[in-house]
Amino acid sequence: QQQVKQSPQSLIVQKGGISIINCAYENTAFDYFPWYQQFPGKGPALLIAIRPDVSEKKEGRFTISFNKSAKQFSLHIMDSQPGDSATYFCAASTETGNQFYFGTGTSLTVIP
Amino acid sequence: KAGVTQTPRYLIKTRGQQVTLSCSPISGHRSVSWYQQTPGQGLQFLFEYFSETQRNKGNFPGRFSGRQFSNSRSEMNVSTLELGDSALYLCASSFDRGGGNTIYFGEGSWLTVV
Repeated sequence: QQQVKQSPQSLIVQKGGISIINCAYENTAFDYFPWYQQFPGKGPALLIAIRPDVSEKKEGRFTISFNKSAKQFSLHIMDSQPGDSATYFCAASTETGNQFYFGTGTSLTVIP
Repeated sequence: KAGVTQTPRYLIKTRGQQVTLSCSPISGHRSVSWYQQTPGQGLQFLFEYFSETQRNKGNFPGRFSGRQFSNSRSEMNVSTLELGDSALYLCASSFDRGGGNTIYFGEGSWLTVV
């Protein structure tokens, strides 16, 4: 059973556009929600993360929006660039350990 | 500071064989966790070790095992390999355990079972 559901599976965006990836979860014990970026042949790398006591977190062109009541969170990539083309994973973990539950990933392609 | 190092990067094994993968965490990191990544299932948690003790285990059969040494280096072993074990195996390390700790992934070991 997928504990974190991610959509869309793939996304094509024009350069300069906004990329939006959505995730939903059921387990209310989750209290840490990171996003990872993965390039081909590389391991996932932390992009940005949020805790449920904050509704939004912004780092540069990347923003996480968090809706605790809806149990949903999303990644917004502003001014998307071809270099952002990668696979993005949302994830969630609880306070009790480093077991992360990952979404199935979104393949983002930014067209020049 | 050196990142998480995994060896070997690529390997091909025959069904029924066993395989051992190695992971050297970032210096000072005490927690090591392992994930299996496949196109269909995404990243699935295998297990986590902290100070040589397995703290968490995912829903994988007993053929998957691991251990951590006193220097925090870790190995995972898969016995009686099946075709479905073909995947990218990722090791991740963090300084401590508990929610909110950033985990840093290595580049993974690509296992192909034929």
